[in-house]
Amino acid sequence: DAKTTQPNSMESNEEEPVHLPCNHSTISGTDYIHWYRQLPSQGPEYVIHGLTSNVNNRMASLAIAEDRKSSTLILHRATLRDAAVYYCILRRQTGANNLFFGTGTRLTVIP
Amino acid sequence: GAVVSQHPSRVICKSGTSVKIECRSLDFQATTMFWYRQFPKQSLMLMATSNEGSKATYEQGVEKDKFLINHASLTLSTLTVTSAHPEDSSFYICSAGRLAGTTDTQYFGPGTRLTVL
Repeated sequence: DAKTTQPNSMESNEEEPVHLPCNHSTISGTDYIHWYRQLPSQGPEYVIHGLTSNVNNRMASLAIAEDRKSSTLILHRATLRDAAVYYCILRRQTGANNLFFGTGTRLTVIP
Repeated sequence: GAVVSQHPSRVICKSGTSVKIECRSLDFQATTMFWYRQFPKQSLMLMATSNEGSKATYEQGVEKDKFLINHASLTLSTLTVTSAHPEDSSFYICSAGRLAGTTDTQYFGPGTRLTVL
């Protein structure tokens, strides 16, 4: 799977929006963009995924650049429970492949 | 969302003993499950791919005779750490994939923290 680049860490104030960036300049046309997050001492959990269009769900929004070489995970109102490591991962269109976890972005939410 | 469970959540054992960790997909069938290991302050590293009804596929550097994987049914995979040593102390996490359209979403277990004394 193609590589992604994320900032090591970010901070946000509670109840403010958070924009977590991800660069994936070598993305191929069949790669989906997936986001997972890992809370302390827990297994990762699925957040959202998309291919070309922006996506919204109850957890977050995913904004995908027109050239698909970058994307942004948007948490509309950060809460203390959103403090986690967020991973941006590219997935091929088909196949039950494992996920390659990079270093992710550690989000700290300040009360 | 789909649920994947792991048991036990935490285990402490003496050096030289074997420990079995179970991973279950509770509400869907998984022909493939994955086992990861995570050391403190590090990211997840894939250890092996567990295939229902066939042998597991191990990543380079992972000893298949030390980390025994069995995937006896579509909802259960087990990882046995044989002759555990302190350097095997880690957070072990399993996952199972579920198709969502033309891609799949991975669902992770809560993890098992192994401490080898």
